[in-house]
Amino acid sequence: SQELEQSPQSLIVQEGKNLTINCTSSKTLYGLYWYKQKYGEGLIFLMMLQKGGEEKSHEKITAKLDEKKQQSSLHITASQPSHAGIYLCGADNAGAGSYQLTFGKGTKLSVIP
Amino acid sequence: IAGITQAPTSQILAAGRRMTLRCTQDMRHNAMYWYRQDLGLGLRLIHYSNTAGTTGKGEVPDGYSVSRANTDDFPLTLASAVPSQTSVYFCASSKGLEDEQFFGPGTRLTVL
Repeated sequence: SQELEQSPQSLIVQEGKNLTINCTSSKTLYGLYWYKQKYGEGLIFLMMLQKGGEEKSHEKITAKLDEKKQQSSLHITASQPSHAGIYLCGADNAGAGSYQLTFGKGTKLSVIP
Repeated sequence: IAGITQAPTSQILAAGRRMTLRCTQDMRHNAMYWYRQDLGLGLRLIHYSNTAGTTGKGEVPDGYSVSRANTDDFPLTLASAVPSQTSVYFCASSKGLEDEQFFGPGTRLTVL
């Protein structure tokens, strides 16, 4: 089965700083999803990437999928306290249109005002 | 109802008891899922359902059962709870195979 490794496991940044979270797969990524979770709450969908080299942005968050489709990065520009939470990457299993996602263990982000 | 809801929000349960976690969505999504989230292990799929009337096993199905009698509801049942089932449970749904999954707020379950 597919395994996703996220790095770093946790991150503390000063408000206004940029940061990057990585998600590396043991297999080719056919669909890569980024979610954000706040403590005690459900997951909020951020972005989905499918094509090698694809890059998507939403407000100050940019996600990229590398050409080989085995690694994705999530970049936050000028971080704010509202960005704090746990970021999870999820990957489409099997690649045959399967919707059973495998998740990384998450990256905990703290933003210090 | 707007989106996907779960009940209860939290529950403390004695080992050996039966428990059903409820999940309802009003988005007419075909697919629904149950995950458990544990520290250091991330989210793991328990069971899923492609469409009403069908269910399938995920990564960690043992000790859990599900049913999908209609499109909106996808209850998760623990027939005889054990302490290792202490976790936060998330229900999710998606419109189709390649669409993003929408998650409920979660149910925090403690089995003593």
